[in-house]
Order: sequence, then structure tokens, then C-alpha cells
Amino acid sequence: SQTIHQWPATLVQPVGSPLSLECTVEGTSNPNLYWYRQAAGRGLQLLFYSVGIGQISSEVPQNLSASRPQDRQFILSSKKLLLSDSGFYLCAWSVGRAYGYTFGSGTRLTVV
Amino acid sequence: QKEVEQNSGPLSVPEGAIASLNCTYSDRVSQSFFWYRQYSGKSPELIMSIYSNGDKEDGRFTAQLNKASQYVSLLIRDSQPSDSATYLCAVTDNAGNMLTFGGGTRLMVKP
Repeated sequence: SQTIHQWPATLVQPVGSPLSLECTVEGTSNPNLYWYRQAAGRGLQLLFYSVGIGQISSEVPQNLSASRPQDRQFILSSKKLLLSDSGFYLCAWSVGRAYGYTFGSGTRLTVV
Repeated sequence: QKEVEQNSGPLSVPEGAIASLNCTYSDRVSQSFFWYRQYSGKSPELIMSIYSNGDKEDGRFTAQLNKASQYVSLLIRDSQPSDSATYLCAVTDNAGNMLTFGGGTRLMVKP
């Protein structure tokens, strides 16, 4: 069966520090991968999506970046965090329109 | 711009009642429709999918789709306090690669 792993679960980082969040998927090949952010009490904001290794599309201009070094690995990074980067970061995968997205358990990031 | 609209709520229903959650979408070529449940502090969980006009039932949940009216709904029968959560409607584009999410409706089921 397919599973998605996302870590860490919680993270407190100072302003200006770097960030690296990792997401891996098991049990499927060539998934579409997505990074979302959800601010407190708000909806889901799509940050990046990837349809293959090295293929990244950005939906929102910001100080975040994403990479997909392997088929089932998706990484979200920042060189210098801002207070506004705080939120709940969710990784998701899909393999086709019939299945929707499956979300990881999320990382709650607090920038202080 | 493709849009998915939901009333943010909160929608408050008594335990045992039917909760009705509604969603409208703007893209006429949308093909697949999903309902997610998100408990506070947790990630969204897929609970229903529907692809053709009409009703689809799964336990206490019924999804309803009307493509002509660009309207999809979720009915929860015999609502329980454990159903209290935010419900997100999501719609795919024609290619099926991208989901557009609504802002969610917060449901509160009172004992």
C-alpha cells in the first residue's frame, strides 16, 4: 500500500534561519507531488508541485524553493525564514484524477 | 481563475441530525470531485469522491453532484460529535493533475 512520510512534525525556527522539510512516498512510482501551506484558520495554499524528477512548478512567489532529487522525494527549503513563513506545511501525492490527493501528516512550523 | 466556493460556517447541528455541506465551482470542465475532512491540527483526509451526476453513498455520507448547476454537496446522516471538523471540497481540472480546494466549512455537532 502507498504511504507518505513527512517530517518533522513540529519545528520552531528563528527568523533568518534556513529550512528543510522532507517528504517521501512509498508504494507508488512517478507520483505527482505537492507542497501546501495552511496558515492558522485559513485554507490550503498551493506552493509547489512536481510531475517528475527535477520538474518543479511554483504557484506563489516567495522565499521558499522546492526540489525533487528522486522520484518519491520532495523537499521544501528556504535560505532565510520570515515570520510570515509560519504555518502548517503539508505534502501530498497523487497518481491520477480518480484518486484525489493523499496528504502527509504535516509539519507545523513556527518562526520566532 | 478557477474557484471553489464554500460557506466558511460554522455550521452547527444537533447530534443525530443531517448535516448538509455545499460547494460550488466555476470550471465547467471539472471532472472529479472530492470531499476531505480535516480535524483541528491534523492533515486533510479524503472521505468521498464523486465523478458523475447524482448521488453516491458511503455509510453515513452521501455526496451529490450536479454538473449543470456546478454544485456538489455532502450530506452526513446521524451526525455525531466526532464529525465536528472542517470539510474541504476539492475539484480537479480536466487534465486531472491539479486540485482546487475550497476554503472549507467548519461543522460543529452538538451533543
